[in-house]
Formats: sequence, structure tokens, C-alpha cells
Amino acid sequence: AQSVTQLGSHVSVSEGALVLLRCNYSSSVPPYLFWYVQYPNQGLQLLLKYTTGATLVKGINGFEAEFKKSETSFHLTKPSAHMSDAAEYFCAARGYGQNFVFGPGTRLSVLP
Amino acid sequence: GAGVSQSPRYKVTKRGQDVTLRCDPISSHATLYWYQQALGQGPEFLTYFNYEAQPDKSGLPSDRFSAERPEGSISTLTIQRTEQRDSAMYRCASSLAGSGGTDTQYFGPGTRLTVL
Repeated sequence: AQSVTQLGSHVSVSEGALVLLRCNYSSSVPPYLFWYVQYPNQGLQLLLKYTTGATLVKGINGFEAEFKKSETSFHLTKPSAHMSDAAEYFCAARGYGQNFVFGPGTRLSVLP
Repeated sequence: GAGVSQSPRYKVTKRGQDVTLRCDPISSHATLYWYQQALGQGPEFLTYFNYEAQPDKSGLPSDRFSAERPEGSISTLTIQRTEQRDSAMYRCASSLAGSGGTDTQYFGPGTRLTVL
């Protein structure tokens, strides 16, 4: 069965610093991979997704993620954090024809 | 509609009561999903619909949970004889088409259910 882990339930960075949120998946077949962001009192919003092809995926708000099959990872990065990036981030995986499996989430705090 | 809407946004009920949650997906979307999200956790799949068909309800935790989408648009999730462990955020999402697994899901704001 598919599972998704996110290292660190809470990550704090300074404004302007690199953001790195970690995601690892467990599957015998490389799945489709997603990052969602959740702002307070709002629904989850898709940041980016990997399906096939280029392993470096660019998303909205300057975020990107790289699919590394050898490491079963799909870490999310942003070169320079902004205060508006403070939110909860969820990594998710889905095999073809299977259901979405979400990680437990990482809360990102951005310090001034 | 412009986005996925859910009602009510908050629901407090007493143990043993039945509750019904509503989801209004984006109008052109064929596929609708229900998730349960406990505090501090990611969403967990409950069930989904392709139009009015419900191909997979494997995530429903017990037979107290049921969902409908009779006309292929609005969906309801009903929890009978609620228990305190049912307290969670219930999220609905819709996508244009569910086949293949790569379609973007658009999430509603959720319904926060508290069972006293």
C-alpha cells in the first residue's frame, strides 16, 4: 500500500531563506506526486504535481519539487521564503487507478 | 459554481445523532471525492463518485457512513449514530475527470464536525 511521510511537522525559516519541505513515498511503482498548500480556513490548493517526464517540476508562487526515484523522494523547495508562504503543506501520492494518499503535513512558519 | 463549496462550515452534534454534510462541486466536474482529516493529520480518502456512480467506498470507516450523489452534481455525506471519534474536518474535492490519476483536485473549505 502506498504511504507518504513528511519529515518535520513544523518547519521555521527566516524571511528570504531557503524553504525545504521533505516528502518521501513508499511504493513499488513510481506514483503520481503532488504538493498542496492549505491556508487557514481555506481548502487545499495544488502547488504542483509530477506525472511523467521532467523530474523537476515548477509550481505556483515560486515553489518547485524534484522527483528522485532512487531516493523515493519529492521534496519541495523555494529559494527565498516570503511571509505569505506561512501555511500547512501536504505531500500526496497516487498510483494509477488508485486513491490519493496524503502525508501528515508540515506547518511552515516564516519569521521576519 | 466558481469553486467547491461545503455546508455547513461547522457542525456540533451530540453523540448518537445523525448528521448530513453537503458538497457542491465545480459544475463541470465529473468526479467528486470525500476525505476525513483528523487534527494534525493529512486528509484520508473516504469515497469518490464519477457522476452518480460510486466506484470506490473502501475508505468509509464503518457502515454508519454513507454518501450519495444522485444527480451527478451535489453530494451528501451522512454519518449515522455519530461517535466522538467521528470528530474531524470533512473535505470534499472535485476534478474534471477521475481517470488516470493526474487530474487536479479542487478542494472545498471543509466542514468541521464536533461530536460531544
